[in-house]
Amino acid sequence: GAGVSQSPRYKVTKRGQDVALRCDPISGHVSLYWYRQALGQGPEFLTYFNYEAQQDKSGLPNDRFSAERPEGSISTLTIQRTEQRDSAMYRCASSLEPGYGYTFGSGTRLTVV
Amino acid sequence: DAKTTQPPSMDCAEGRAANLPCNHSTISGNEYVYWYRQIHSQGPQYIIHGLKNNETNEMASLIITEDRKSSTLILPHATLRDTAVYYCIVAMTGGTSYGKLTFGQGTILTVHP
Repeated sequence: GAGVSQSPRYKVTKRGQDVALRCDPISGHVSLYWYRQALGQGPEFLTYFNYEAQQDKSGLPNDRFSAERPEGSISTLTIQRTEQRDSAMYRCASSLEPGYGYTFGSGTRLTVV
Repeated sequence: DAKTTQPPSMDCAEGRAANLPCNHSTISGNEYVYWYRQIHSQGPQYIIHGLKNNETNEMASLIITEDRKSSTLILPHATLRDTAVYYCIVAMTGGTSYGKLTFGQGTILTVHP
């Protein structure tokens, strides 16, 4: 597509539920990144992929967070047993290759109640 | 990745050049300097990046000192729409974390009429 598409735009979930956030990168972009952003803070790195390979997952806060990109295109970030502290804007970005400029999506605003 | 230091906020008059400084005194030889900006609640937007030579594109110019310990992002004719948080980031050019960006607090640039 023309840009990075994320869905849903907004997600409200009850504490303890699992959520799956989707990212559809720009067609042909090799690298895909997940970030989390709290209000008033800069984006915080979570994980990233080159093609289908997860290169770095050092930013995932704990084992409730996981991500996949099985065919090297669409990626899903899954949060199991959500907690209120997981509430944030989750942003996905893609780049043509590692080291190129990122294009960010509009984000998914997750609220855990 | 090397740490960057930016002023928390700056002001600029509309139509004037905005010069945003960044210190990265611990930068290593294989690290690039990237600049992004984030307008209100939108996703961050790539501006420019460079290794050691000055760079210019349609958005801005990047001036990197000869010792590479600091850089300046120049918006030649600032407009009200340039009001945003500007992030200076230093990142590796190789290895498994190639392409991974670590965002700091950035500089809040306010352009006044």
